[in-house]
Amino acid sequence: NAGVTQTPKFQVLKTGQSMTLQCAQDMNHEYMSWYRQDPGMGLRLIHYSVGAGITDQGEVPNGYNVSRSTTEDFPLRLLSAAPSQTSVYFCASSYSAGSYNEQFFGPGTRLTVL
Amino acid sequence: GDSVTQMEGPVTLSEEAFLTINCTYTATGYPSLFWYVQYPGEGLQLLLKATKADDKGSNKGFEATYRKETTSFHLEKGSVQVSDSAVYFCALTLLMDSNYQLIWGAGTKLIIKP
Repeated sequence: NAGVTQTPKFQVLKTGQSMTLQCAQDMNHEYMSWYRQDPGMGLRLIHYSVGAGITDQGEVPNGYNVSRSTTEDFPLRLLSAAPSQTSVYFCASSYSAGSYNEQFFGPGTRLTVL
Repeated sequence: GDSVTQMEGPVTLSEEAFLTINCTYTATGYPSLFWYVQYPGEGLQLLLKATKADDKGSNKGFEATYRKETTSFHLEKGSVQVSDSAVYFCALTLLMDSNYQLIWGAGTKLIIKP
């Protein structure tokens, strides 16, 4: 099992550009999520999905879109990049959205917006 | 509101020292509690968890006890190694809008010197 994979590992964008961060998991997990990690702020939830075709907003959804057409894939789209979106982005998955389920994280994408 | 508070880092210790990283929480209901660890350049991975009061989670020599009376889940290890250098995150799960979400602490960076 590859677990949770993310691409790219690093990305530099100019303000106003758009891009898609890819996330895939091969564990047949129902629940997937995107977080951003900023210094001193821990992880903040951007969007999440409890199954194919179902997505919802997290704590900081503005400027991001997601879709979940398959169980395996959960891409995150930046519509018009802004310097405030400079961060490290993590995708995570778990068997379900239960209270005690372990989340499995990808290696992260480090994004810089100039 | 619901939150997790961790001691600020970095925490710097010598090899074989005793480690405590404090974590306290505010939550309604009965959350599950977690410690995740992030090694340099990697995603987060579950270290240990506890799902009800007085439960003790343990893994790799680390322990934490779910203390409902003090709303705490402090992480301890009797003798740390250089390889324990990482960022440690305390988290809890909370039922929000019919789904469980993770609430994260800000993370505590641990540096172990040989």
